[in-house]
Amino acid sequence: EDQVTQSPEALRLQEGESSSLNCSYTVSGLRGLFWYRQDPGKGPEFLFTLYSAGEEKEKERLKATLTKKESFLHITAPKPEDSATYLCAVHLSGTYKYIFGTGTRLKVLA
Amino acid sequence: DVKVTQSSRYLVKRTGEKVFLECVQDMDHENMFWYRQDPGLGLRLIYFSYDVKMKEKGDIPEGYSVSREKKERFSLILESASTNQTSMYLCASISTGVYEAFFGQGTRLTVV
Repeated sequence: EDQVTQSPEALRLQEGESSSLNCSYTVSGLRGLFWYRQDPGKGPEFLFTLYSAGEEKEKERLKATLTKKESFLHITAPKPEDSATYLCAVHLSGTYKYIFGTGTRLKVLA
Repeated sequence: DVKVTQSSRYLVKRTGEKVFLECVQDMDHENMFWYRQDPGLGLRLIYFSYDVKMKEKGDIPEGYSVSREKKERFSLILESASTNQTSMYLCASISTGVYEAFFGQGTRLTVV
């Protein structure tokens, strides 16, 4: 069964305390892996797409990496405005189907 | 920037009512999706459409139908609303070949 699992479910960090969020996947075929940020009561906002193992993408304090079994979202020196739920999703190859993880709720304290 | 607009941010409907949720995208994308999001369950696919008048069932289509008469508009219909359809509904638009999903702001539906 195709599955995407995110950990931890929730994470509290002090401002400036770097950490990583994990997205592990077991799927029949991967076309792409996506990271999204979702603020409370709003729709997910696209962050990154990763297509192949070894690929990395960066945007401000965020860096996403991909291996054959998992992806990490590294947050360097986070600020309170980085507080949000971070979702990862896998696009299954040969289909229109995307499988989403349940997200990591990040809280950055000032 | 891609813009996906959902017709309502918040809706309150009564059990048994027919409910229409509208979604419009402005980037000429072929593919549009409807998800619902519930705590602890993540996003679950209700229906998707890969072309005008074409639709496919997702993982949880029961109690829902969809309509896509024009490329930019994808409607979700709750035929007879029930309390277990209280949820956050998200519409997404995806371009073939790029595959990033762009989401609307969501509609929080409460059925009483």
